[in-house]
Amino acid sequence: QKEVEQDPGPLSVPEGAIVSLNCTYSNSAFQYFMWYRQYSRKGPELLMYTYSSGNKEDGRFTAQVDKSSKYISLFIRDSQPSDSATYLCATTGGGNKLTFGTGTQLKVEL
Amino acid sequence: EAGVAQSPRYKIIEKRQSVAFWCNPISGHATLYWYQQILGQGPKLLIQFQNNGVVDDSQLPKDRFSAERLKGVDSTLKIQPAKLEDSAVYLCASSRLKGAREQYFGPGTRLTVT
Repeated sequence: QKEVEQDPGPLSVPEGAIVSLNCTYSNSAFQYFMWYRQYSRKGPELLMYTYSSGNKEDGRFTAQVDKSSKYISLFIRDSQPSDSATYLCATTGGGNKLTFGTGTQLKVEL
Repeated sequence: EAGVAQSPRYKIIEKRQSVAFWCNPISGHATLYWYQQILGQGPKLLIQFQNNGVVDDSQLPKDRFSAERLKGVDSTLKIQPAKLEDSAVYLCASSRLKGAREQYFGPGTRLTVT
């Protein structure tokens, strides 16, 4: 079993839709949870990170962590074609090593 | 602020050949990471440097991979000899602090081994 599981998609939505991206993890020691966005042929770009359980909002993006169920979510409101990318969740126990999911490919269509 | 620079962007070699990748982190970032990203997978950490010392190289295939970070700034990652399964994107990242939370990635080097 992988430490971080993520549905690879692809996920296709119409412009303006609310997008929900999800990951599950197995290691209870994970405390920090990150979402990275990766455009084709580019390096990952940090979108947001949260510590422990709860919600964090940044513009159209909301990250949610439920440690009791080991479930991580990223919501994108009013999705735009420019949001089309691969979204990677990542976690760490606060140490040095990030553990990434496989990424979900998102396409927002006009 | 300039981002993480990597070169070359693309490299095609035959199996059993050697190859080297270069990374220049963001100025002032003490921690540097090399990741391997195989198509359809998330990045996997190969090695982490704190200044010019190795912090974690537990997932580096040391029989064929080597890395160094001279003077705590630039870094090179070398593969010798390359295998077909080394085909991947090699990403360099840096962070200001030793903690992993905010890492900034370069564009990567796409390696194809034929």
